[in-house]
Amino acid sequence: AQKITQTQPGMFVQEKEAVTLDCTYDTSDPSYGLFWYKQPSSGEMIFLIYQGSYDQQNATEGRYSLNFQKARKSANLVISASQLGDSAMYFCAMREGRNTGNQFYFGTGTSLTVIP
Amino acid sequence: DGGITQSPKYLFRKEGQNVTLSCEQNLNHDAMYWYRQDPGQGLRLIYYSQIVNDFQKGDIAEGYSVSREKKESFPLTVTSAQKNPTAFYLCASSIPLSSGANVLTFGAGSRLTVL
Repeated sequence: AQKITQTQPGMFVQEKEAVTLDCTYDTSDPSYGLFWYKQPSSGEMIFLIYQGSYDQQNATEGRYSLNFQKARKSANLVISASQLGDSAMYFCAMREGRNTGNQFYFGTGTSLTVIP
Repeated sequence: DGGITQSPKYLFRKEGQNVTLSCEQNLNHDAMYWYRQDPGQGLRLIYYSQIVNDFQKGDIAEGYSVSREKKESFPLTVTSAQKNPTAFYLCASSIPLSSGANVLTFGAGSRLTVL
């Protein structure tokens, strides 16, 4: 079974509007972390936001927020007030457990295009 | 500035040749990782290392080799045994957040093309 599922290969959003990128995950470990990364056309992966499985509140970082629904095993990324520079690939990732060596699992990504 | 440096950015290889991708970090991180990215796919783990002189295979280690002789360096060799090596390769290290969680920080990547 896939650990991370991103069902939206491509998304379009009007500049200044909000957009939600979907992510569902699969784990039986009670301790895990969820991450979102942005990959511009240059290729480098940029960390955006983190949510721990025990965190009571949804994580927020500037215009990014993570809609964490534990029972549904979903961790959707919400980008508010979209900007042209937000056009990129977005990857959801998960890390199980607390061991530094535990690997990260990545989804297949969502390509976001912001329309002027 | 601290960060992860990957080189070369672009590399072309003839079939049957081994190539080595460099990854250097000055962040004093213990854990380092190599990922492969193919079009339309997420990142897949090749190898990771938690400490010097120790490394473990990831999901797609066949045809690859690594070494970790220094904390700062984690080079990846793509051998001739790797049947489909054309891909984008990303090196990463693990950095702790203020919350205690560890997050990956990445280099700019190396794009390998086999001719």
